[in-house]
Amino acid sequence: DQQVKQNSPSLSVQEGRISILNCDYTNSMFDYFLWYKKYPAEGPTFLISISSIKDKNEDGRFTVFLNKSAKHLSLHIVPSQPGDSAVYFCAAQTLAASYDKVIFGPGTSLSVIP
Amino acid sequence: KAGVTQTPRYLIKTRGQQVTLSCSPISGHRSVSWYQQTPGQGLQFLFEYFSETQRNKGNFPGRFSGRQFSNSRSEMNVSTLELGDSALYLCASSPSGTGVEKLFFGSGTQLSVL
Repeated sequence: DQQVKQNSPSLSVQEGRISILNCDYTNSMFDYFLWYKKYPAEGPTFLISISSIKDKNEDGRFTVFLNKSAKHLSLHIVPSQPGDSAVYFCAAQTLAASYDKVIFGPGTSLSVIP
Repeated sequence: KAGVTQTPRYLIKTRGQQVTLSCSPISGHRSVSWYQQTPGQGLQFLFEYFSETQRNKGNFPGRFSGRQFSNSRSEMNVSTLELGDSALYLCASSPSGTGVEKLFFGSGTQLSVL
């Protein structure tokens, strides 16, 4: 049972426009949500995170929105640049235990067209 | 600071063989996690080690095992390889693996089972 879902396997956006990547989750106990970006032949790199007690976190061109009642979060990239073309993984984590694994979604492949 | 190093980058094995993958974390990082990435499945958690102890394990069969050495380097072993084990295996390190920490990933080992 997939606890973190990214229902769009791929997304194409024109350069300069907004990219919106969506993520849904089923476990209401998640405390933190994170986004990672992955280029081909490289490991994922951390992009941005949000605590479950917040509804928005912004870092430069990247903003993550969290809607707890809908168990939904989204990553907005504005403006989109060709270098943003990558696979984006949504991830979630609980803090209940001394260590809890990070659970990743299946990823969304973003293509930014020049 | 050197990043997370995984060796080898590529491996080709046949069914029934066993394989050992290696991961050297960032200096000072004591937590090492392993993930399996397959198309459409995202990153599936295998296990996490801290101070040579496995703290958490994902839903993989016992053919998948790992260990961590006193210098925090980690290895994972897959015995009796199956075609379905073909995947990108990613290792990630973090300072302590507690709370919410960014995971720092290596570039992965691409395993092909023929």
